[in-house]
Amino acid sequence: DQQVKQNSPSLSVQEGRISILNCDYTNSMFDYFLWYKKYPAEGPTFLISISSIKDKNEDGRFTVFLNKSAKHLSLHIVPSQPGDSAVYFCAASAITTPLVFGKGTRLSVIA
Amino acid sequence: GAGVSQSPSNKVTEKGKDVELRCDPISGHTALYWYRQSLGQGLEFLIYFQGNSAPDKSGLPSDRFSAERTGGSVSTLTIQRTQQEDSAVYLCASSPLGGNEQFFGPGTRLTVL
Repeated sequence: DQQVKQNSPSLSVQEGRISILNCDYTNSMFDYFLWYKKYPAEGPTFLISISSIKDKNEDGRFTVFLNKSAKHLSLHIVPSQPGDSAVYFCAASAITTPLVFGKGTRLSVIA
Repeated sequence: GAGVSQSPSNKVTEKGKDVELRCDPISGHTALYWYRQSLGQGLEFLIYFQGNSAPDKSGLPSDRFSAERTGGSVSTLTIQRTQQEDSAVYLCASSPLGGNEQFFGPGTRLTVL
């Protein structure tokens, strides 16, 4: 039973436009959420995080939104750049659990 | 500074053989995690160490899998009697005390023929 779901396995966006990656979770105990970015043949790298006391966190071109009532978070990348092409993993944690990852969404930014 | 390193980067083995995968976490990081990513799947949690003890072994898929950590540093993941379904990328991550962010190594790609 997947606790963290990324329902879109892939997404294509034109350079300069907004990329929106979505993530849903089922465990109401999750209180910290992270996005990781993964290039081929490399380990995931941390991108941005948000704690459950906030509903938005912004870092440059990356913004994460959290909707606790809907158990939904999203990552917005604007403007999208070709170098953003990678697999993006959503992850969630609670005090008593290690990170639980979604299956990832492959983002392709087309020049 | 040095990140998380893993060795070997690639391992090809025959079904039934044992393999050992090594992880060197970032110096000073107290927590160490092992994950695997099978083809088309997300990151699957295997085991977590806080110091040298493993409070959460719930993700180990079978008793063929074991892990240890010594000196609060290096960890070894051992898979005995490997099966073809063990083929995956095995990722190690570490985090500092109280930290939520995990820093990942490059992974070991295991192929069981």
